[in-house]
Amino acid sequence: AQKITQTQPGMFVQEKEAVTLDCTYDTSDQSYGLFWYKQPSSGEMIFLIYQGSYDEQNATEGRYSLNFQKARKSANLVISASQLGDSAMYFCAMREVTGNQFYFGTGTSLTVIP
Amino acid sequence: EAQVTQNPRYLITVTGKKLTVTCSQNMNHEYMSWYRQDPGLGLRQIYYSMNVEVTDKGDVPEGYKVSRKEKRNFPLILESPSPNQTSLYFCASSTPGYEQYFGPGTRLTVT
Repeated sequence: AQKITQTQPGMFVQEKEAVTLDCTYDTSDQSYGLFWYKQPSSGEMIFLIYQGSYDEQNATEGRYSLNFQKARKSANLVISASQLGDSAMYFCAMREVTGNQFYFGTGTSLTVIP
Repeated sequence: EAQVTQNPRYLITVTGKKLTVTCSQNMNHEYMSWYRQDPGLGLRQIYYSMNVEVTDKGDVPEGYKVSRKEKRNFPLILESPSPNQTSLYFCASSTPGYEQYFGPGTRLTVT
C-alpha cells in the first residue's frame, strides 16, 4: 500500500487566493513526522513545513500551514495569499520512527494564475 | 554556507560502465539518504544511513550500492548501470527526526 497519497496531480489557483494541497498517509507507527517540500522548475527541493505526530497544534510557517487530522491520517498543506512564485511541484513526505525511512508522495503541480 | 553537494550534476553514460555519484554535507548530520525522482512516481528512497558504517535499504535499492566511511560523505555507486536507472538523483542529509537538506540533484542518463 502507498505510504503517502497525493491525489491531485495538478492544481490551479488565482493569485492572492488560498489553496489546499491534499495528502493522506498510511502508517501503524504512533510516532512519525510529516513534511512538505516545494520543488520549483529549477529543480531544487525546498523544505516548507513539519508536523510531528504528537503535536497538538497545526504547524504554521508564514503563509504555509499544515491541516493535520490524525484520525483521518491527513496532512494537507494550505498556502494562503498565493503568489506567482508559488508555482511549483509540492511533495508530501513522512518519516516513520521505526526504520527511519522517508516516504514521498507523487507530488502536486501547482500553477498560480495572475 | 550549510550545504549538500553532489557531483557530477549531469552524467551521460553507457550500459554497464560503473559510475559513482558523490555526496558531501558540511552540517555534521548523522542521517544521509539517496533518492531517485521519476515523472509520476515522486521521490523514492534508494538507501539511507543513520551514521558511519550504518546503511539500510530504502524502497528501490536494486542495482545500487552505497558506503558511509566518513560522516560527511555518502557516495552512490552503480556497478553496472542500465537504462532503467536513467533518472534524477538527490542526496539529502539531516539530523535524525528533522527536515532533510537536499543536494542540487544529479541527472543521469544511461544509454
